[in-house]
Amino acid sequence: GAGVSQTPSNKVTEKGKYVELRCDPISGHTALYWYRQSLGQGPEFLIYFQGTGAADDSGLPNDRFFAVRPEGSVSTLKIQRTERGDSAVYLCASSLIPPGGEVNEQFFGPGTRLTVL
Amino acid sequence: AQKITQTQPGMFVQEKEAVTLDCTYDTSDPSYGLFWYKQPSSGEMIFLIYQGSYDQQNATEGRYSLNFQKARKSANLVISASQLGDSAMYFCAMVDWGKLIFGQGTELSVKP
Repeated sequence: GAGVSQTPSNKVTEKGKYVELRCDPISGHTALYWYRQSLGQGPEFLIYFQGTGAADDSGLPNDRFFAVRPEGSVSTLKIQRTERGDSAVYLCASSLIPPGGEVNEQFFGPGTRLTVL
Repeated sequence: AQKITQTQPGMFVQEKEAVTLDCTYDTSDPSYGLFWYKQPSSGEMIFLIYQGSYDQQNATEGRYSLNFQKARKSANLVISASQLGDSAMYFCAMVDWGKLIFGQGTELSVKP
């Protein structure tokens, strides 16, 4: 009975480097979401997928951020030319009920803590 | 645009007592959903309770209940019989076309 898993749990990188963060959703969940949580703040939406396609990427802060979900299951969040301001916990969530419906319980993973030095 | 406001950065409660965490929201949609999540120090977001805007009754889940006042646009979380394990961050959220919009959170500390 696996929940949402995220790897790595911690990532330390240097400014300017490229990083990839991985999310394994709950099996069978059609919707997958990425959020970013800075210290002392609530999570902020980045992007969500319905199946393989990005249904809403309005939360991506700029073109250095990109996410894929090629087979409708695992997703990878990619950050190019990292900046110190990218340091945060990146949370992934998945849900069974397609977005657009009123009830949309999302199950969250443990997060990846990204530190950019 | 949807907005969630949690005005209590931190709250203290004595073990076994009840506590209310405040949440107000702003939306122009006639139909909406409100959630509460708990985030312990481990970092994982744990779903607690959901309230739909057209639900006739306030939602309850065990020790958690939601005091939903639609006219005031408030959805306060009530935790009864607080336990030490309830110490955590609590986030109110609203669903907006699938994505969740979160408030700033309230840090609850339960005293023995």
